[in-house]
Amino acid sequence: GESVGLHLPTLSVQEGDNSIINCAYSNSASDYFIWYKQESGKGPQFIIDIRSNMDKRQGQRVTVLLNKTVKHLSLQIAATQPGDSAVYFCAEKELSWGKLQFGAGTQVVVTP
Amino acid sequence: AAGVIQSPRHLIKEKRETATLKCYPIPRHDTVYWYQQGPGQDPQFLISFYEKMQSDKGSIPDRFSAQQFSDYHSELNMSSLELGDSALYFCASSRTGQGQHEQFFGPGTRLTVL
Repeated sequence: GESVGLHLPTLSVQEGDNSIINCAYSNSASDYFIWYKQESGKGPQFIIDIRSNMDKRQGQRVTVLLNKTVKHLSLQIAATQPGDSAVYFCAEKELSWGKLQFGAGTQVVVTP
Repeated sequence: AAGVIQSPRHLIKEKRETATLKCYPIPRHDTVYWYQQGPGQDPQFLISFYEKMQSDKGSIPDRFSAQQFSDYHSELNMSSLELGDSALYFCASSRTGQGQHEQFFGPGTRLTVL
């Protein structure tokens, strides 16, 4: 399944499928974009980040894409697993040491 | 690996009372951030400290204050508590320089104001 934007707060994905979570950001001055995963009752956990001078970065089972033209960020999770069930937040910041500005989260539910 | 420690994990207060939340950053991390997360909301930045000096300020009410001590732990002091202050409060820490900028979050303090 594919998220069509943050106005869709829940993304249901079948185990083994790929997930795509989308995020629109607003600050053109942001230099860093980060994806966080938050499980129930826990603090946000860093997944992957990308700097504004890049358009793609890959990690383990995750890929982040950045489109500065339309101020759009996406997180792709390959072969989604039950442990991927969580709320995912995109965040941006202007400076490497700066505060995080979070976007609205997307609840990902992985079904067997 | 050591993580960010927050205490207490849960706190229940009455309206108009005060509360103090504590944060112990990861060793050798020099920057501490405080965030507030309401139910179903995204975390909102409150305030940050770098080397014991306030480095940035967000949407923190005047009733709240914070500081970072010589051992780098930080405390968020909240006075005249209101029902709307009920939220999860996260502390995050990072180490500046050398291209490192990831913020590591603690488990949070759940504050309930009755």
